[in-house]
Amino acid sequence: DGGITQSPKYLFRKEGQNVTLSCEQNLNHDAMYWYRQDPGQGLRLIYYSQIVNDFQKGDIAEGYSVSREKKESFPLTVTSAQKNPTAFYLCASKEGAQPQHFGDGTRLSIL
Amino acid sequence: QKEVEQNSGPLSVPEGAIASLNCTYSDRGSQSFFWYRQYSGKSPELIMFIYSNGDKEDGRFTAQLNKASQYVSLLIRDSQPSDSATYLCAVNRGAGSGYSTLTFGKGTMLLVSP
Repeated sequence: DGGITQSPKYLFRKEGQNVTLSCEQNLNHDAMYWYRQDPGQGLRLIYYSQIVNDFQKGDIAEGYSVSREKKESFPLTVTSAQKNPTAFYLCASKEGAQPQHFGDGTRLSIL
Repeated sequence: QKEVEQNSGPLSVPEGAIASLNCTYSDRGSQSFFWYRQYSGKSPELIMFIYSNGDKEDGRFTAQLNKASQYVSLLIRDSQPSDSATYLCAVNRGAGSGYSTLTFGKGTMLLVSP
C-alpha cells in the first residue's frame, strides 16, 4: 500500500536527550513537511523540504533539525534545546499542486 | 504573520441537519484552500479542496470560496454522528512565502447528536 509511515507512534524523551522521529513515504512525492500540534491548536510548520538535500525552516524550527538524504525519508530530530517538546508530531507529503496528506503521527512526551 | 481564523466551537447540530463551518484568512495572495477532518487522537484527513471562487460539491460536502471577502466555508448536508470531529481549515501561503506551505486554523469542533 502507498502511504506515509511515521514511527514510533509514542515516544518518551528524558531531559537533555535528543530523539528522532521517522517519516517514510512510498508515494514518490517531492515535498515533505513536519508539523507540531498542541492540544486544541492547529498545526504549526516546523520544517519542510521540496527536494532531496534541501530543506527550509518553518514557523517554529528552533530546537528541531531535519535531513533529507533520500526522497522517501524526512526524519525530524527533537533536540535538547526544545524545552517544551510534548506534542503530536505530524509528517505530510505532496506532489506538485496536489493537497498534502498526513501520516498517522507520533506522540512525544517528556519523562 | 498571516492568519487563518475559525470559530473553535463546539458547533452542535442534530442528525440530518446541515452543518456550516466557516473560515477567514488574511493573506490575499492565497490561491488554494483545504478542509481537513481530524478525529480525536488521529491525524488530519483531507475532505475537500477548492481553488476558484464559488461552490464545489463532493457528495454531502460543499466547499464555498469568496476571495473578495477572504472567506471559505464547508457545508455538510445530512450530518451524521460519524461527522463529529474537528474540522481544520488550511490556506496556502501566497507567492514568495515558500513552496505551497499551508497555514492552518485552530479548527472547529463539530458535534452531531443522534
